[in-house]
Amino acid sequence: DAKTTQPPSMDCAEGRAANLPCNHSTISGNEYVYWYRQIHSQGPQYIIHGLKNNETNEMASLIITEDRKSSTLILPHATLRDTAVYYCIVRRTAYNQGGKLIFGQGTELSVKP
Amino acid sequence: DGGITQSPKYLFRKEGQNVTLSCEQNLNHDAMYWYRQDPGQGLRLIYYSQIVNDFQKGDIAEGYSVSREKKESFPLTVTSAQKNPTAFYLCASGAGYNEQFFGPGTRLTVL
Repeated sequence: DAKTTQPPSMDCAEGRAANLPCNHSTISGNEYVYWYRQIHSQGPQYIIHGLKNNETNEMASLIITEDRKSSTLILPHATLRDTAVYYCIVRRTAYNQGGKLIFGQGTELSVKP
Repeated sequence: DGGITQSPKYLFRKEGQNVTLSCEQNLNHDAMYWYRQDPGQGLRLIYYSQIVNDFQKGDIAEGYSVSREKKESFPLTVTSAQKNPTAFYLCASGAGYNEQFFGPGTRLTVL
């Protein structure tokens, strides 16, 4: 699975958009980009995933560059409850991979009043 | 409610004892996973199972064992062979390559 690189920490003001970058320059054609977040001492929570098109759901938007080497997770109006560690994961779709997720260090997002 | 349950939430064991962590899901997912998380670190995969009666080692399987006798259940045993068992253990389930759903975790402390 392709390795991802994320900044270790970021701050965001409450009510503003939080833009979390992820670099995955070695991504291959059959790998999806997934985002999860983990609030302190809880299990990770799925946010969104995409292959090459931009995606949006009720939680966030995912922007993937045309060359697919990087992506940005956007939380449009961050709240204090969005304070968490955000993980960008690149995941293969081959059956023998078992669908497993490989977590890096993630980005610790702090939303401040 | 559909979801994943893990029990207990906190677990203490004496050094040299085996301990089994429970994971149950009622989401009808074929695949189940066990991860370990150490303070300030990301999750690391211990074992996973794609179907009943079959499971595969993950990246850090040494000192752990699992079973998958039922679709709903994937218990993890931390054996005395695991040198540093104190950690936060997370169970997850998933259907194919869709998102994985995680349980609340079990925090194991070896005294």
